[in-house]
Amino acid sequence: QQPVQSPQAVILREGEDAVINCSSSKALYSVHWYRQKHGEAPVFLMILLKGGEQKGHEKISASFNEKKQQSSLYLTASQLSYSGTYFCGTEREENQGGKLIFGQGTELSVKP
Amino acid sequence: DGGITQSPKYLFRKEGQNVTLSCEQNLNHDAMYWYRQDPGQGLRLIYYSQIVNDFQKGDIAEGYSVSREKKESFPLTVTSAQKNPTAFYLCASSHLQRKNTEAFFGQGTRLTVV
Repeated sequence: QQPVQSPQAVILREGEDAVINCSSSKALYSVHWYRQKHGEAPVFLMILLKGGEQKGHEKISASFNEKKQQSSLYLTASQLSYSGTYFCGTEREENQGGKLIFGQGTELSVKP
Repeated sequence: DGGITQSPKYLFRKEGQNVTLSCEQNLNHDAMYWYRQDPGQGLRLIYYSQIVNDFQKGDIAEGYSVSREKKESFPLTVTSAQKNPTAFYLCASSHLQRKNTEAFFGQGTRLTVV
């Protein structure tokens, strides 16, 4: 039931764009995205709800395809600070808060 | 400042010992969670609690125990029954009954069995 993220790892130069995908085999209520630096706490980026509602960072965009149960995170004009591991967390019902099922993560490295 | 605090940051345990990881939040969140993270893997849910004096098993609860005697506190005990306890442990909290509610994570405790 764990969502599958792709790619597993990506290396970018500063200013390049990247897309990270998160796919589930089950119907979802929401998808949450977090970024984690090594040895630190995951930091919230964005929530996408079934029906189109979103909440998140101004400089980060994402989409949620309810028919395909797939979410994509778009990182444009990447900066060095974008480096880290990105996780998607999924809810199958509403009001689950932090009771999420996480993907295995996508490691993003941004080089100068 | 409101937040969620885990202690200690690093913990070493001898085989056969029980250890308790602390998690405290002052965000007035109803729900609290414990996740385990292994290298190269995502976070897996150990236990969660949505109300004081009640908690539920997550996906990998075997070898762990929790208590929720106060809203602010949700300690995790790693027992000697946990066969492979070396991991990074993350505590989180969130509101319930709200849409668009994200989880807030603590800084984690890295447990090593020696």
